[in-house]
Amino acid sequence: AQKVTQAQTEISVVEKEDVTLDCVYETRDTTYYLFWYKQPPSGELVFLIRRNSFDEQNEISGRYSWNFQKSTSSFNFTITASQVVDSAVYFCALSEAGNFGNEKLTFGTGTRLTIIP
Amino acid sequence: EAGVAQSPRYKIIEKRQSVAFWCNPISGHATLYWYQQILGQGPKLLIQFQNNGVVDDSQLPKDRFSAERLKGVDSTLKIQPAKLEDSAVYLCASSAGTSGDLRDEQYFGPGTRLTVT
Repeated sequence: AQKVTQAQTEISVVEKEDVTLDCVYETRDTTYYLFWYKQPPSGELVFLIRRNSFDEQNEISGRYSWNFQKSTSSFNFTITASQVVDSAVYFCALSEAGNFGNEKLTFGTGTRLTIIP
Repeated sequence: EAGVAQSPRYKIIEKRQSVAFWCNPISGHATLYWYQQILGQGPKLLIQFQNNGVVDDSQLPKDRFSAERLKGVDSTLKIQPAKLEDSAVYLCASSAGTSGDLRDEQYFGPGTRLTVT
């Protein structure tokens, strides 16, 4: 079973539309963190947000907002009034304790977002 | 602050040849990671270092892959001999925290795109 599922492989929306990227995770741990990263065409992953398992407050940062719901094991990401610069691949990731005393970051398969001008 | 540097950016080799990738993390970052990202998938951890010691190499194919981080700064990842299925982007990341910190944000380099023919 996938630990992090991003069911939407590709999404295309017209500029200025709102778009939501879905993320569902699976873990038995009570303490964990969830992340969203953006991968533009240049290749490097860029950190967007982190959320810990005890904080279900939604967060808004400019045009970006995140909805964390433990009851459904989801951590969805919404872009409001999308712009062409938002075009990228977006990854959801789960950080939990690894087998070697380390943190283990597991990524989903990503959602490719294309904003059409 | 300079980001994570990687070289080369692109490499094309024939199967059974060897190849090496280099990574220079952000100054002062103790933890260094190598990830393999196959086209259409999320990054998968190959190996994690804390300073110059290996923390987790459980997913590193040790019959052909090796990595080292001498002096706890730069790191090299080597593949010998390469197989067709090794075609992927190899990402290096670093973080300021120590291993086991679930909240630690990782900073990624631009990656090396390897094509094995």
